[in-house]
Amino acid sequence: DAGVIQSPRHEVTEMGQEVTLRCKPISGHNSLFWYRQTMMRGLELLIYFNNNVPIDDSGMPEDRFSAKMPNASFSTLKIQPSEPRDSAVYFCASSLTLASVTNRRSYNEQFFGPGTRLTVL
Amino acid sequence: RKEVEQDPGPFNVPEGATVAFNCTYSNSASQSFFWYRQDCRKEPKLLMSVYSSGNEDGRFTAQLNRASQYISLLIRDSKLSDSATYLCVVNKEYGNKLVFGAGTILRVKS
Repeated sequence: DAGVIQSPRHEVTEMGQEVTLRCKPISGHNSLFWYRQTMMRGLELLIYFNNNVPIDDSGMPEDRFSAKMPNASFSTLKIQPSEPRDSAVYFCASSLTLASVTNRRSYNEQFFGPGTRLTVL
Repeated sequence: RKEVEQDPGPFNVPEGATVAFNCTYSNSASQSFFWYRQDCRKEPKLLMSVYSSGNEDGRFTAQLNRASQYISLLIRDSKLSDSATYLCVVNKEYGNKLVFGAGTILRVKS
């Protein structure tokens, strides 16, 4: 089974350029998450979608960052204009969110993609 | 204060040793707890969920103490392949928002 797919795997760009990161979640999953990981700040949630609708974008650093999920099988994270401090590994994750919270299964296990390593010069 | 705090380590242990990691969380309303494992330059992967009654999966045992807001992971008979960063993860509330600790580095040496 295919896991979460991200592209590109590596991106090197110059300051001021637009960067678009792409993600295809696991088929059948209804929640999608964008994370950023740096040595200094660890793994931070940027935004998450449920059924293609953005639920919480409080982690998005600033207006230069935007994310879309036009359908259940595709999402993008865009940075425009990019800055050197945006250099990080960006992970996309997906999960199947169930309405019930009464059972003890890890119903909200998040499956991560391999990440995009972004370097802004 | 960080929402999830872990000792960053590294923990350097010989093969066969028993090692324990601890984690504290600040939000008493947290509902779900997990340990994720992250290998170098790879994505995080779920290792195990943590239940109030404690749970075991082979050589791994996880414990939760809600009163002290404390989570632990015990690894017995360490293998070289256990070398990784172990992330303590807390679900802030009912829903999907996970908060990750900074991770504890484990190095198992022969």
